Formats: sequence, C-alpha cells, structure tokens
Amino acid sequence: GAVVSQHPSRVICKSGTSVKIECRSLDFQATTMFWYRQFPKQSLMLMATSNEGSKATYEQGVEKDKFLINHASLTLSTLTVTSAHPEDSSFYICSAGLAGGGWETQYFGPGTRLLVL
Amino acid sequence: AQSVTQPDIHITVSEGASLELRCNYSYGATPYLFWYVQSPGQGLQLLLKYFSGDTLVQGIKGFEAEFKRSQSSFNLRKPSVHWSDAAEYFCAVVTTNAGGTSYGKLTFGQGTILTVHP
Repeated sequence: GAVVSQHPSRVICKSGTSVKIECRSLDFQATTMFWYRQFPKQSLMLMATSNEGSKATYEQGVEKDKFLINHASLTLSTLTVTSAHPEDSSFYICSAGLAGGGWETQYFGPGTRLLVL
Repeated sequence: AQSVTQPDIHITVSEGASLELRCNYSYGATPYLFWYVQSPGQGLQLLLKYFSGDTLVQGIKGFEAEFKRSQSSFNLRKPSVHWSDAAEYFCAVVTTNAGGTSYGKLTFGQGTILTVHP
C-alpha cells in the first residue's frame, strides 16, 4: 500500500515551453503533497507544500508564478513548470502524506527528470 | 533553523562488512528524524524514523539507527552489507516552527553515496 506515482517519468522540452508533472496517490488519500527538486549530486530541496482545495505554500526563493501547483483532489497534485529554461532542468519528486495520518509519514513518488533544451 | 549534516559524501565497503553512516542535526528541541534510501533514478524509500521513546530504532532491510541527544547524532548502521544496499542515503529532520508545531516539511542532509565492493 501507500504507492505514489508520477507522470511522466522523464520529459525533454524546448526552452520557453511549459511542462506539467502529475503526482498521484494510488491507494490512499493525501491531504498534503510536497514537491521537491533535486539537482545532480545534491540533496532534495522542498519547493512547495500543496494542500487539497487550497493554495500551495511556496518556500522562500521559489517563484510561484513559474512553478504552478494545483491540488484539485485528494489523490492528484500537479506541478506545471511555465516557460521552462535550461536552469529548470532537474529531478522533481513529489511526496504525499496520508489524510488524517499526520505529517510524519510521507510517501515519495519515483520522480520526474526534466531536461530543458 | 533546523539543519542536517551528513559528513561523508561517499563511502565504500566490502560486501558482508558492517556499515555506519553518520548524521548530525541542529535543533533545539526533540527532533523527528528519518533515514531514506534512494536508488539511481528512483524516489525515496523510508528506512526508519525516530520520534520518541527507545533511542535505538529498527528499520527495514536490516538497518537500525541510534538517536544520541548528547552528540546530536542519528547514525545509521547495518551489521552486514549486501550488494543491493548500494544507493544514496539521506538523513532528514522535520521542520517545526518556534512553538514546536510541525509543518511536516522535511529538511534533508546532503546525502551519502554507498558503494559496495564484492
């Protein structure tokens, strides 16, 4: 149980285009989802916290107009990288927290590797 | 602010040897600590976590970790490493506000890459 999927697993796009990444909790409801970014040979950095039915909370330094997050249901959150540039190339990972289960257990998706040319 | 330090960027051990990965945290109150493992190109899998109680925590895949408040450490150990343990390991702490309320935000260490020689 507690499986989180991400789609696509890998995407290559041209500079200036937008890319949407989906994060789904497959067998549980997730009140809260988290989006992380991991640059090569670096640790994960939290970008934003997404709560179902409300606006996402962004970490300092993360542009909310560039990284659009929508958490429309208890099983789906999307991250849209708008007007992507080569410096946005990274590994994006989402995690989902069990609804009513608290924050202490987050289940991570397999990640999406974005390459912007 | 809370922080996590993993002093070793890369560790190499022989299969069957014991393993200890170091993790130090900076936090004023009792921390909530985690160890995750990440295989290449994959997401993170939770190995174990510490919230309170017994300071020696058992996890999956034969891993354990010991919380030592006096040393601000939460080192991960395994008595006998298998080739399949080769991966990157992350220590993490949950971020809280000044009042101790958790936001549920994980702060990760830099990671330790484990290489296992046959």
